[in-house]
Amino acid sequence: QVHLVQSGPEVKKPGASVKVSCKASGLDFTRNSIHWVRQAPGQRLQWMGWINTANGNTKYSQKFQGRVTITRDTSATTVYMELSSLRSEDTAVFYCARARLRFGEPEYDYDFWGQGTLVTVSS
Amino acid sequence: EIVLTQSPATLSLSPGERATLSCRTSQSVDRYLAWYQQKPGQAPRLLIYDASNRATGIPARFSGSGSGTDFTLTISSLEPEDFAVYYCQQRSNSFGGGTKVEIK
Repeated sequence: QVHLVQSGPEVKKPGASVKVSCKASGLDFTRNSIHWVRQAPGQRLQWMGWINTANGNTKYSQKFQGRVTITRDTSATTVYMELSSLRSEDTAVFYCARARLRFGEPEYDYDFWGQGTLVTVSS
Repeated sequence: EIVLTQSPATLSLSPGERATLSCRTSQSVDRYLAWYQQKPGQAPRLLIYDASNRATGIPARFSGSGSGTDFTLTISSLEPEDFAVYYCQQRSNSFGGGTKVEIK
């Protein structure tokens, strides 16, 4: 069974950066794509970006371009999401999610999710 | 960017009743639309992909239909555990605003 386990809650000051981890197990790590989704209070789910775990290629939402960096450590089967220049509006739960595979290729929907990491931005 | 609009925002129903949720997209997405269920404090759970295909382990009371710009998620007979928020998502990764199914 696929499991994605995220790091714990964070409290950051405005202007700081946060790095959230997502450790994957139960899958062939280098044959997947892992996405990050933000859920702010009262807001809809927002896609942030994704990483191809095979080659490290990334794609980011324009909304977060320049502030988000997604990386992976294949030896640790872990994906990281770093968000910089934090502001109060970034207070949210951040999820990693695995794109469902169809014939070994990633699709657009997410069949396994991490438990979420609450990031609070406050002075 | 393709915008997804879900309606109604809230649906008040009793257990055993039928729930019909709508998702409309601002441009055609063919059949590339997924539905998720989210309960408080939990991550979303994939219910339906490609408009009408149930994900692994999803009960048959959940069904999806539609294509182009108009999509529907139907829960044929609500169970107590079905009261939650439901989101649609299209292929370019944007999500709808959600429909909350609450107990009447």
